[in-house]
Amino acid sequence: KNQVEQSPQSLIILEGKNCTLQCNYTVSPFSNLRWYKQDTGRGPVSLTIMTFSENTKSNGRYTATLDADTKQSSLHITASQLSDSASYICVVSRQTGANNLFFGTGTRLTVIP
Amino acid sequence: DAGVIQSPRHEVTEMGQEVTLRCKPISGHNSLFWYRQTMMRGLELLIYFNNNVPIDDSGMPEDRFSAKMPNASFSTLKIQPSEPRDSAVYFCASSLGGGSPHDQYFGPGTRLTVT
Repeated sequence: KNQVEQSPQSLIILEGKNCTLQCNYTVSPFSNLRWYKQDTGRGPVSLTIMTFSENTKSNGRYTATLDADTKQSSLHITASQLSDSASYICVVSRQTGANNLFFGTGTRLTVIP
Repeated sequence: DAGVIQSPRHEVTEMGQEVTLRCKPISGHNSLFWYRQTMMRGLELLIYFNNNVPIDDSGMPEDRFSAKMPNASFSTLKIQPSEPRDSAVYFCASSLGGGSPHDQYFGPGTRLTVT
């Protein structure tokens, strides 16, 4: 079972609407959680990084939340634009041990006019 | 800054051939990461270096894969011999510090096709 689960797998929304993407994880001991945006054919770009003590972080129209108790994170996109069409990947780091990065399979967002 | 530079951008090779992927990290970054991405498995960390030293190579799939970082501005990922199941996009990323929780900056990737 993947230690990082993202939902939904894909999402289609109208331009201008808001949306929320979910990331649930079981990784322990938790170090930090990152959200990446990946445009088709390009490398991922970091949107936010949150550590245990942070429960919200914004980057423009993107706002990430973290509930370390329930091991859930969300990425909220406000007033979506066509350029928001991309895959959004949640990555959770573990404090110790080898191979301490755990990746979600991503949510594919399509914004239509 | 030009960002992380990877070459080649595309590589098509026959099964059994040696493949070498190259990466130039952002100047001043001392951590470098190699990732593989496929539709089936998503993004996977293969290996990462800190100050040119391999720190964690537990993600390297098997002995056919090897990575080197001879200096702070260059790294290679080699597959010998290549197999069709190695077909994927290979990303290199760099960051300041030990890689957590600093931002990682990804290159454009190398799309490898093994026939």
